[in-house]
Amino acid sequence: LAKTTQPISMDSYEGQEVNITCSHNNIATNDYITWYQQFPSQGPRFIIQGYKTKVTNEVASLFIPADRKSSTLSLPRVSLSDTAVYYCLVGDRNEKLTFGTGTRLTIIP
Amino acid sequence: GAVVSQHPSRVICKSGTSVKIECRSLDFQATTMFWYRQFPKQSLMLMATSNEGSKATYEQGVEKDKFLINHASLTLSTLTVTSAHPEDSSFYICSATVGRGVDEAFFGQGTRLTVV
Repeated sequence: LAKTTQPISMDSYEGQEVNITCSHNNIATNDYITWYQQFPSQGPRFIIQGYKTKVTNEVASLFIPADRKSSTLSLPRVSLSDTAVYYCLVGDRNEKLTFGTGTRLTIIP
Repeated sequence: GAVVSQHPSRVICKSGTSVKIECRSLDFQATTMFWYRQFPKQSLMLMATSNEGSKATYEQGVEKDKFLINHASLTLSTLTVTSAHPEDSSFYICSATVGRGVDEAFFGQGTRLTVV
């Protein structure tokens, strides 16, 4: 399992675009990059997953450079309800999920 | 996405008693279920991996005799905290997969256990 490093916390104002970067220098060829969101006292919720380049869905975009040693989760026009902890996970699709420290995102009105 | 339901959402028990937490996949069959524990302001810590019809695989440092896991069917896994102590107070979360990949992991809403 590749180790991941994320900022411990971030603050942003409502309406801004938020980018959270995750470093995973030891990512393996078969590893995918997956982001989860967790609100207090709730289980994590899948946000997005990618292997390379860019992936976009209805809630976020995921940017992965060619060397895949990092990835950036982009949340467009955040609102107060986006305040949560965001986890970056890297692993083979058959592996168990191991969570790192995550990034605590606080949206300021 | 698929729904994973945990019950109860919170429980308070006396020290020395046992508590059972249920994790159900409501609209899919889960080949694998995972149990996590999360202390306040900390990340999720994987406790064990549970496959239907076989013994659970516990992570290093997790006592299998204290945290009994039963995965009797493809839709139900249970975690029993035996002889609970105050230090077992935590947020317990299960997840279930259909075995197709990392993006197919669905999490329950968690169970807040308080041992008094």
